[in-house]
Amino acid sequence: GAVVSQHPSRVICKSGTSVKIECRSLDFQATTMFWYRQFPKQSLMLMATSNEGSKATYEQGVEKDKFLINHASLTLSTLTVTSAHPEDSSFYICSVRQGVPSYGYTFGSGTRLTVV
Amino acid sequence: GESVGLHLPTLSVQEGDNSIINCAYSNSASDYFIWYKQESGKGPQFIIDIRSNMDKRQGQRVTVLLNKTVKHLSLQIAATQPGDSAVYFCAENTSGTYKYIFGTGTRLKVLA
Repeated sequence: GAVVSQHPSRVICKSGTSVKIECRSLDFQATTMFWYRQFPKQSLMLMATSNEGSKATYEQGVEKDKFLINHASLTLSTLTVTSAHPEDSSFYICSVRQGVPSYGYTFGSGTRLTVV
Repeated sequence: GESVGLHLPTLSVQEGDNSIINCAYSNSASDYFIWYKQESGKGPQFIIDIRSNMDKRQGQRVTVLLNKTVKHLSLQIAATQPGDSAVYFCAENTSGTYKYIFGTGTRLKVLA
């Protein structure tokens, strides 16, 4: 299956600053990557679908101007949390959809964002 | 809509016993299901999957059962070990769509 690397694993930033999270597909050319957010003791919520070479598709309720997604190559997608606030503190996880025979996702290791 | 959990139910199991984790899925059109394991501070890991044309699938120490009539999925872990302690999520998908809907998750605690 695909190997997905996410960086950084943890980041603490001040309110009002921006944070960039990288997601790399190490052995799989991913035209599509997915970004999830997970609050403590909650399930994964899909935020957006990152499409290589085109605009990301955002889920309802997710602000596209706040969560900027760039998928410039087949192996890299970035999520930038702009003007971060404490309520943006969460666990952000990217994933790549595997191909045959399984159609599940391979997830990155996640990024714990804390906004102070 | 997507399933959102307000808290995580917890299953405590004695080491060596079998564990059964349950999941009620939401969409009757879903035809592909996956169980994921998530350890603290890490991303989810694929455990086992099943398609809707099956009602049972076995892996190494794990078995997934699917009951489409009542939209229920279960994960059975045989001879539960301390390393099995984690949160387990089911995810459902409909063919032709990219979107997976995740269940609320169950925390499995293995007691020594």
